[in-house]
Amino acid sequence: DIQMTQSPSSLSASIGDTVTIPCRASHDISTYLNWYQQKPGKAPRLLIYAASYLQSGVPTRFSGSGSGTDFTLTISSLQPDDFATYYCQQTYSTPYTFGQGTKLDLK
Amino acid sequence: QFQLQESGPGLVKPSETLSLTCSVSGASIFNSGYYWAWIRQPPGKGLEWIGSLYYSGQTYYKPSLKSRVTISMDTAKNQFYLKLTSVTAADTALYFCASQVERSCSGGTCLTWFDPWGQGTLVTVSA
Repeated sequence: DIQMTQSPSSLSASIGDTVTIPCRASHDISTYLNWYQQKPGKAPRLLIYAASYLQSGVPTRFSGSGSGTDFTLTISSLQPDDFATYYCQQTYSTPYTFGQGTKLDLK
Repeated sequence: QFQLQESGPGLVKPSETLSLTCSVSGASIFNSGYYWAWIRQPPGKGLEWIGSLYYSGQTYYKPSLKSRVTISMDTAKNQFYLKLTSVTAADTALYFCASQVERSCSGGTCLTWFDPWGQGTLVTVSA
């Protein structure tokens, strides 16, 4: 299985900050990488697919980059609604796997 | 955008079978280009893909669960299903169904993502 590592598991930031959330794959996954946002008790919401493509309806302050084994989700000008847990997911090969998540909270 | 909704028992006894339904509205599950997936999340933990089903009936499962999992569908009801046998406390989780989108396929690999998701249903395994 391809292991997805997200470190740190938590991150503190303030409104208006720009934050970067890293994700590393155990094998080269090209750009078969997605990012999801999840709030407590809710379903994950797709933010970015294929490493850098913004899902329709997602604010443009979210962006994704990377290829191969190292990826980054960037959130510019943090808004109150952005405090949540973020997961990366590889879909290069089955079993599809997720990172353990990075929880973004208010400093 | 179409919607998905999970349903099923919230409590299952150990060693019994967990059975869930995902009802799809606003789209036909008999639609080429879409797979239909199940994902779960144990309390306080991360996301785990369980398996996926293509409209043709083709399925693929997480290997560690494969011996216990069946995903199937009823096109007349526009629903798909999850059955997980011989459950233990480790199967306690929030279970999600989702649409699995596949695009730009090349050499047998497709850009794939899950969207939209159902709201999830909590299943507790306990006597």
